[in-house]
Amino acid sequence: QQQVKQSPQSLIVQKGGIPIINCAYENTAFDYFPWYQQFPGKGPALLIAIRPDVSEKKEGRFTISFNKSAKQFSLHIMDSQPGDSATYFCAARTNFGNEKLTFGTGTRLTIIP
Amino acid sequence: GAVVSQHPSWVICKSGTSVKIECRSLDFQATTMFWYRQFPKQSLMLMATSNEGSKATYEQGVEKDKFLINHASLTLSTLTVTSAHPEDSSFYICSAAYTGYYNSPLHFGNGTRLTVT
Repeated sequence: QQQVKQSPQSLIVQKGGIPIINCAYENTAFDYFPWYQQFPGKGPALLIAIRPDVSEKKEGRFTISFNKSAKQFSLHIMDSQPGDSATYFCAARTNFGNEKLTFGTGTRLTIIP
Repeated sequence: GAVVSQHPSWVICKSGTSVKIECRSLDFQATTMFWYRQFPKQSLMLMATSNEGSKATYEQGVEKDKFLINHASLTLSTLTVTSAHPEDSSFYICSAAYTGYYNSPLHFGNGTRLTVT
């Protein structure tokens, strides 16, 4: 079964710190790895995505690190702010015509002032 | 950026009635739309994949006769929960993608909170 394992389940970080959320996958056919941010009562919003041919991608304060050999990828949030408090989901999919995403279990992030 | 609009944002209905949820892609043609269900503090569970002009593909364990999906145009997909019961109460989220290019991002609507009394 295709799975994406995500950790930690919850994370509390002080403002300005760098929360790190990790994901691991099994299916080597996955070649697109997005991260989504979800606030309570809202749908997930695409934050940043990476392909396995690069090891790192930055967009603003968000960075994805990708380790293809280990089949792991992680999200780093620089200079975290209370407004970053949300649930974060990693995901993965193939591009073989079916664009179904496999989601991680989610990480509830709390940034304390 | 791409916008996916979902309507209604919340609905309360009585047990035994049917509820229709609409999902629209506002600024792009969505050849594929996905319907998810999310329970509190849990991840998104894919219910079905709908492709414009063809029948939806349902995930294992999802009752196709209960969750009717129609994708009649490149900008609109609907999910109808038929004969709803309290256990159908959940947060339903649609998403849309244009499969015309590699790595097309998947964009989500803001979800519909269904409460069945």
